[in-house]
Amino acid sequence: DAKTTQPPSMDCAEGRAANLPCNHSTISGNEYVYWYRQIHSQGPQYIIHGLKNNETNEMASLIITEDRKSSTLILPHATLRDTAVYYCIVRVVTSGTYKYIFGTGTRLKVLA
Amino acid sequence: ETGVTQTPRHLVMGMTNKKSLKCEQHLGHNAMYWYKQSAKKPLELMFVYNFKEQTENNSVPSRFSPECPNSSHLFLHLHTLQPEDSALYLCASSQDGTDTDTKQYFGPGTRLTVT
Repeated sequence: DAKTTQPPSMDCAEGRAANLPCNHSTISGNEYVYWYRQIHSQGPQYIIHGLKNNETNEMASLIITEDRKSSTLILPHATLRDTAVYYCIVRVVTSGTYKYIFGTGTRLKVLA
Repeated sequence: ETGVTQTPRHLVMGMTNKKSLKCEQHLGHNAMYWYKQSAKKPLELMFVYNFKEQTENNSVPSRFSPECPNSSHLFLHLHTLQPEDSALYLCASSQDGTDTDTKQYFGPGTRLTVT
């Protein structure tokens, strides 16, 4: 089972910030949080990942709470092209191999 | 992301056919993955290869047979599939499947329809 929970859907006005929450209350100390998005029927696209500190790149910012039990992905100025399903992932490891367990994600709809 | 390619992009096959899906990564990675995404379901991990060795088989039926001849290529051989196997099949790669901090790069997927 996925180690994360996300709201099933969100709307955001174009040009506004989109804040997508994720709960990962069972995360271990050395596990990273990854965010991907999937635009209709395409392969998932990497957005950002982090361990403890907040992270920012050209696509988004990732805010991780101090206890690491939740995080928020921020798209600072959402555009129509940001409409997609966003996945928050904490990897699991079995037999030494790290793997993603995808949940159902958050379907973000950016409104004109 | 153009680093992972998949062919064909679309495939229609009968239940008695044999076909293969191909994935190629141009990123110098050592781990490759097959995922299945059925309609309105989350991505499901099927197989993991790390340095050409299979390290994960997520209880996938034997009618799906993976092959990893080298770190750059991954195949999924299909035979006697069922209509419920119709799905988007996604390939991904990462630097090393055992690394604590490594992201996966996904291909565009193959849309498979079994008739």
